Amino acid sequence: NAGVTQTPKFRVLKTGQSMTLLCAQDMNHEYMYWYRQDPGMGLRLIHYSVGEGTTAKGEVPDGYNVSRLKKQNFLLGLESAAPSQTSVYFCASTYAGNNQPQHFGDGTRLSIL
Amino acid sequence: AQSVAQPEDQVNVAEGNPLTVKCTYSVSGNPYLFWYVQYPNRGLQFLLKYITGDNLVKGSYGFEAEFNKSQTSFHLKKPSALVSDSALYFCAVRGTGFQKLVFGTGTRLLVSP
Repeated sequence: NAGVTQTPKFRVLKTGQSMTLLCAQDMNHEYMYWYRQDPGMGLRLIHYSVGEGTTAKGEVPDGYNVSRLKKQNFLLGLESAAPSQTSVYFCASTYAGNNQPQHFGDGTRLSIL
Repeated sequence: AQSVAQPEDQVNVAEGNPLTVKCTYSVSGNPYLFWYVQYPNRGLQFLLKYITGDNLVKGSYGFEAEFNKSQTSFHLKKPSALVSDSALYFCAVRGTGFQKLVFGTGTRLLVSP
């Protein structure tokens, strides 16, 4: 049982390049989330999804797009990377319901030069 | 709006001593409260949650947390700290009807031998 798997683990991009981060979960969770973690700022929600084919904006959605074509996958895209998007990105998933804990992947460390 | 405050950036404690990591929250409706731990280069791991019922909640690795409604607090505690408890701890809250979790900025716990 792999849980939540994020690929890639590390990536270095140049300003203006695009890329997609992949999150896959094998727990049949309905909800999935993308966060970014920056020093002193905790985790900030970028986008989330409450089911296949649905997405919604979080706290810091600008510069990012997401898609959830399959229940087990949640993709985060950067169309034109900027240095301000240098961060550690975490994906999480959970069953529906307010009392369910989120399960996290180990993160993608992204540097934009 | 939901919010979480972790007033201490860092907590230092000697091995064998009790530890407390503080958390206060603000939410409309009944709160759903969570503690997570993050080890270096890893994702967040769920420790414990408060949904309803007893104000003292027991979780993984000997940790517990006390819910105090009047003080809107959910402090994390452990009777006897271990060096291996050294990590980054996050408090999080979700309000009734919300699918999103709001995280505090994290508290680094350092346990010295």
